[in-house]
Amino acid sequence: QSVLTQPPSVSGAPGQRVTISCTGSSSNIGATYDVHWYQQLPGKAPKLLIYATTNRPSGVPDRFSGSKSATSASLAITGLQAEDEADYYCQSYDDSLNGLYVFGTGTKVTVL
Amino acid sequence: QVQLQESGPGLVKTSQTLSLSCTVSGASISDNSWSWIRQPPGKGLEWIGYFYYSGNTKYNPSVKSRATISIDTSKNHFSLKLRSVNAADTAVYYCARLRVGEFDYPGYTWFDPWGQGTLVTVSS
Repeated sequence: QSVLTQPPSVSGAPGQRVTISCTGSSSNIGATYDVHWYQQLPGKAPKLLIYATTNRPSGVPDRFSGSKSATSASLAITGLQAEDEADYYCQSYDDSLNGLYVFGTGTKVTVL
Repeated sequence: QVQLQESGPGLVKTSQTLSLSCTVSGASISDNSWSWIRQPPGKGLEWIGYFYYSGNTKYNPSVKSRATISIDTSKNHFSLKLRSVNAADTAVYYCARLRVGEFDYPGYTWFDPWGQGTLVTVSS
C-alpha cells in the first residue's frame, strides 16, 4: 500500500542531471518526518542512499542529494553515470493506521 | 561492518507458517532495532514489522494478525513468523537494521544495512 508517489521512470544521458519526486501527504512527509532514499541495482537488495532527508552515508558519491518541501521530497542525481541505472525508492513514516513505515512506488532510472 | 543474512525455506505451502531467520554479524542484536521488509516479484517494497531495542514490536496492519518478530540474543539473530500464508505472500524477504536518527521515534529512523534477501514462494 504505497502512499508515497514517485514517477515510474526517468531517464537522462550520461553527465546530465535527473530528479525523482516523492509525493506524500500531511500524515507522512508533511508531518515533518524524515525521508530516506534507497537504490536497488538489478537483482540486488536495496542500499541506503540518503538518510534523514539530506544526509549521505559514507561511500555515497556527492552526485546524489536529497531535499524536502511541505509534503514532497526529491532526489537529485547530477553527472549521471551508467552505474546509476537502478530502481530508487523513497521511504518515510505515516501516522495513519496507528503508524507504519511507507515506501514510495519506485522509480526506474535509465541512462541513455 | 554490520552484515545481515536471511535464511529459511524457499517454498511454503498455502495456509502454513513462513519462518525466516536473520543472522547478524558486527552488531549486538539487543542494542539495536530490527525489521523485516518484503518485495513481491516485480513490485515495490512493503514494510512488515519491527522489533525495537526497547522490546516493543509493531507490524504493518496488512499482516498484523499473522506476523511475529522475535530476537534470540544467544544466537544474535532475529526471526519472522508469518502464519496462514497465501500466494500474495510470495516475495523476496529482506531483513534490515533500523537506524535511529535525531529523535528516538519511528518517524526519524531508516533501514541500513539490508540483508541480501531470500525468495519465498507460497504454493499449494
